[in-house]
Amino acid sequence: GAVVSQHPSRVICKSGTSVKIECRSLDFQATTMFWYRQFPKQSLMLMATSNEGSKATYEQGVEKDKFLINHASLTLSTLTVTSAHPEDSSFYICSARDLQGAAYNEQFFGPGTRLTVL
Amino acid sequence: GQNIDQPTEMTATEGAIVQINCTYQTSGFNGLFWYQQHAGEAPTFLSYNVLDGLEEKGRFSSFLSRSKGYSYLLLKELQMKDSASYLCAPMDSNYQLIWGAGTKLIIKP
Repeated sequence: GAVVSQHPSRVICKSGTSVKIECRSLDFQATTMFWYRQFPKQSLMLMATSNEGSKATYEQGVEKDKFLINHASLTLSTLTVTSAHPEDSSFYICSARDLQGAAYNEQFFGPGTRLTVL
Repeated sequence: GQNIDQPTEMTATEGAIVQINCTYQTSGFNGLFWYQQHAGEAPTFLSYNVLDGLEEKGRFSSFLSRSKGYSYLLLKELQMKDSASYLCAPMDSNYQLIWGAGTKLIIKP
């Protein structure tokens, strides 16, 4: 159990275009979903936390108008990188948590999306 | 502030034992997680400690001392597939995970 999927796993786009990444909890209801970004050889950086049906809470320094997060249901959250630029190229990882069902409040991670902006 | 301190890199031999130490400072504490992350992949859950002491789980064990802000991950009978980064992630009072850069473990035959 506790499987999180992400789609796409890899995307290459041109500078100025928008890219949408989907994160789904397959066998549990995710009350909270997290979006992270990780640059090579660096730690995971939390971008935002989203709770189903409410606006996402963005970390300091993360532009909410550039990284649009929608958490419309208990099993789906999307991250849209708008007007992507080469510096947005990174590994984007989502995670999900079910406070009601989990034993440890652990976050279950999706497999990640490798974004390359040309 | 909140921070994590782990060695950047460690090397060990196949079949041996290795201990990865972690010291942390957080605003509040709701337990500490260890994750394994292979290159190019997302982290996978290894262990969780919320009380002081040792938690054993097969070849992996994790220890916590809350008063010292200290944890370690012990890996026994090392296998080549254990080559990965190991992330110590305490959870703060808001149930947010605090991430460091992790420890890259290199296993040699």
